[in-house]
Amino acid sequence: AQSVTQPDIHITVSEGASLELRCNYSYGATPYLFWYVQSPGQGLQLLLKYFSGDTLVQGIKGFEAEFKRSQSSFNLRKPSVHWSDAAEYFCAVALSYNTDKLIFGTGTRLQVFP
Amino acid sequence: DTGVSQDPRHKITKRGQNVTFRCDPISEHNRLYWYRQTLGQGPEFLTYFQNEAQLEKSRLLSDRFSAERPKGSFSTLEIQRTEQGDSAMYLCASIKNTEAFFGQGTRLTVV
Repeated sequence: AQSVTQPDIHITVSEGASLELRCNYSYGATPYLFWYVQSPGQGLQLLLKYFSGDTLVQGIKGFEAEFKRSQSSFNLRKPSVHWSDAAEYFCAVALSYNTDKLIFGTGTRLQVFP
Repeated sequence: DTGVSQDPRHKITKRGQNVTFRCDPISEHNRLYWYRQTLGQGPEFLTYFQNEAQLEKSRLLSDRFSAERPKGSFSTLEIQRTEQGDSAMYLCASIKNTEAFFGQGTRLTVV
């Protein structure tokens, strides 16, 4: 069955430090990949998405993600974290361009220390 | 603000009662999804509408759950005879160009 794994439940970083959140997927073909952020009391906001082409994609708020087919991974990165980045981050996949149904990982909670 | 609104934001109900949630998607979006999110988990797909037609339902959606989207506009999700296991955040999303715009959700607590 298709699945998304986010191995890190909770990550703590200092403000200004770099960040990498891991995401691995299990699927027979290349899925369509997304990263969402959820702040307390807020809905999910799309950070970035990958469908095809350049495997390094840029998103909002200074985030980027790299698709690595050989590792079935789509890790999210940010070179310098801001305190406002503290939130829950979800990796998600859609199984084809024609379906919008998303399969989400369990999320990674990011805590940022000043 | 994504443009998707959900009402109510919070609902506390006694076990066995019926509850109904409403989602107002972005007006020009014809696809609407419901997801459920429990503590420590990512959202899980419940059901999907294309205009007024309900095209897919998850096995998570027991017969106590029903969803409608009359006239292809707003949608409602009803849970009958609520159980404590129904306590969760219920999220609605409307879709355009494969991008999902999520509402802030309705948090249901069954006591």
